[in-house]
Amino acid sequence: GENVEQHPSTLSVQEGDSAVIKCTYSDSASNYFPWYKQELGKGPQLIIDIRSNVGEKKDQRIAVTLNKTAKHFSLHITETQPEDSAVYFCAALGYSSASKIIFGSGTRLSIRP
Amino acid sequence: DTGVSQDPRHKITKRGQNVTFRCDPISEHNRLYWYRQTLGQGPEFLTYFQNEAQLEKSRLLSDRFSAERPKGSFSTLEIQRTEQGDSAMYLCASSDRTGDSEKLFFGSGTQLSVL
Repeated sequence: GENVEQHPSTLSVQEGDSAVIKCTYSDSASNYFPWYKQELGKGPQLIIDIRSNVGEKKDQRIAVTLNKTAKHFSLHITETQPEDSAVYFCAALGYSSASKIIFGSGTRLSIRP
Repeated sequence: DTGVSQDPRHKITKRGQNVTFRCDPISEHNRLYWYRQTLGQGPEFLTYFQNEAQLEKSRLLSDRFSAERPKGSFSTLEIQRTEQGDSAMYLCASSDRTGDSEKLFFGSGTQLSVL
């Protein structure tokens, strides 16, 4: 089955700087890669996603890149703000209609004022 | 769209007791997932339903765990003879899978503490 690895586990950046979180996946048949943000006391919330036929996707200050050959995908947050502090999870979905979303272990992002 | 709701938000129980959690998904969503999350970890897949059919159950899930989704609406997750290792956040999510993408909408979870 699919296995998703995520790093770093914690990340601290100065407000206004950029943050990068990286993930790798094991199943070459995976074709959909969402990113979730989880704030304290809440369930994860989808913030951006990318499909395997796209190499990069951007939404305001957030961008995701995908390298299918290397089975890597990354989340980039630019001009970080205090409200970006949260735990971020990458995930992957296999090709089969019976497949399910598998999550990475998470990155706790802290924005220093 | 009222979102995914879970009940209760918190549950404290003694070891050996049975507990049941409820999840009400977004009404038009046909898929419903249960995940478990422990401190510092990502959500771990437990089981999921397509309408009322339970399509997959994690091999990590012991037979003390059972889930139902009668009539493809709300779902319940029951844990029998709870153990301290069952202490975790139990998350429910629903989705309307379209093609090769699946956007999960999570509830706020049920935090279980087994004493």
